[in-house]
Amino acid sequence: GENVEQHPSTLSVQEGDSAVIKCTYSDSASNYFPWYKQELGKGPQLIIDIRSNVGEKKDQRIAVTLNKTAKHFSLHITETQPEDSAVYFCANRFGANNLFFGTGTRLTVIP
Amino acid sequence: KAGVTQTPRYLIKTRGQQVTLSCSPISGHRSVSWYQQTPGQGLQFLFEYFSETQRNKGNFPGRFSGRQFSNSRSEMNVSTLELGDSALYLCASSAGTGLGANVLTFGAGSRLTVL
Repeated sequence: GENVEQHPSTLSVQEGDSAVIKCTYSDSASNYFPWYKQELGKGPQLIIDIRSNVGEKKDQRIAVTLNKTAKHFSLHITETQPEDSAVYFCANRFGANNLFFGTGTRLTVIP
Repeated sequence: KAGVTQTPRYLIKTRGQQVTLSCSPISGHRSVSWYQQTPGQGLQFLFEYFSETQRNKGNFPGRFSGRQFSNSRSEMNVSTLELGDSALYLCASSAGTGLGANVLTFGAGSRLTVL
């Protein structure tokens, strides 16, 4: 659960294109996988989450997929807009432990 | 519903001093977690308090401490400040139990600069 690797560290896309950020984790007991968005000068904000008994979850332009066998989960943003520009963090949790965060991805959407 | 409030938002200290940061969680939330955010290390877990008791603790030296009051408000203290303590300190609250235990709501953070 503590070892969460996130890639890429930076990502630039043209407005309207899709963006994908991927995280891998090490503890097979992990059961909760949230994604947070952090804008400049603000704290991280939860944008979507998924639990281990679900393979995919979608909320408008944002989706998260989970592959428990491969121990990775991904954030998909479609039809990107300039306001999607921010730093995105994945996290995971196992049991009663706290969230452990990835190192973040700085997404830039170019108008 | 008011969000998580952290005070102060910015502060500057010198090496060797100590600092106390405050966090008021969302009304009804009983769990408060603290994280240190730095450009190089990302978000590092400090500790979590639930119903006035420290429930989890990260790998930080004893100079970092915290407490939680009966109204769920929390404070964290850093003594004998070092240059490397310069960071954004984030507080997050959650219900602390059940499905709500997983969902953290963060405050805007307290940015500490140590000179």
